[in-house]
Amino acid sequence: GAGVSQTPSNKVTEKGKYVELRCDPISGHTALYWYRQSLGQGPEFLIYFQGTGAADDSGLPNDRFFAVRPEGSVSTLKIQRTERGDSAVYLCASSLRGTYNEQFFGPGTRLTVL
Amino acid sequence: AQKITQTQPGMFVQEKEAVTLDCTYDTSDQSYGLFWYKQPSSGEMIFLIYQGSYDEQNATEGRYSLNFQKARKSANLVISASQLGDSAMYFCASGGSGYALNFGKGTSLLVTP
Repeated sequence: GAGVSQTPSNKVTEKGKYVELRCDPISGHTALYWYRQSLGQGPEFLIYFQGTGAADDSGLPNDRFFAVRPEGSVSTLKIQRTERGDSAVYLCASSLRGTYNEQFFGPGTRLTVL
Repeated sequence: AQKITQTQPGMFVQEKEAVTLDCTYDTSDQSYGLFWYKQPSSGEMIFLIYQGSYDEQNATEGRYSLNFQKARKSANLVISASQLGDSAMYFCASGGSGYALNFGKGTSLLVTP
């Protein structure tokens, strides 16, 4: 079956612009996670969805970051007024439930803010 | 909050030998899970192995085993019979009551012929 997919694979934007990153989880997975991975670091948690609602958004760094999952499947991570420090790989993962199940990761979106 | 420490930035191992990648964790949760992921140069995170905090036996998955020492708060990954394709970044992670995974900084493993 299909794994987690993310689009675009690469995104280059200018400082101050708005970007949207999309994640399509594995079919049937109710839990969806967004992580951010900076160069030389491990992934850092951003937000977790259980179904349509954000169960935990404590990892979002500030109010420029927002994510939605309106139908409980595809999720979009939105970043307003991008800054150079937002440059990173944004990873999406999904799992069957929200506890200690294996999280399946997508290939990531590499965001570069010039 | 949980914290994962991986003290080995880089490791070398010869093909067919075994290698241990270290991981220590700090958590106040009574129930938690410990995970290892592999990240090859392509960037995708690949799940390797999981250990629950209440599991009495060490987890094993093929050539991967997790040496879980709860009192020492360590969860080292052992890869037996290393292969060239094992060259990658390896991340230890923990998941507790907050569901999110907390990752360490990773260890870069290079398998040499």
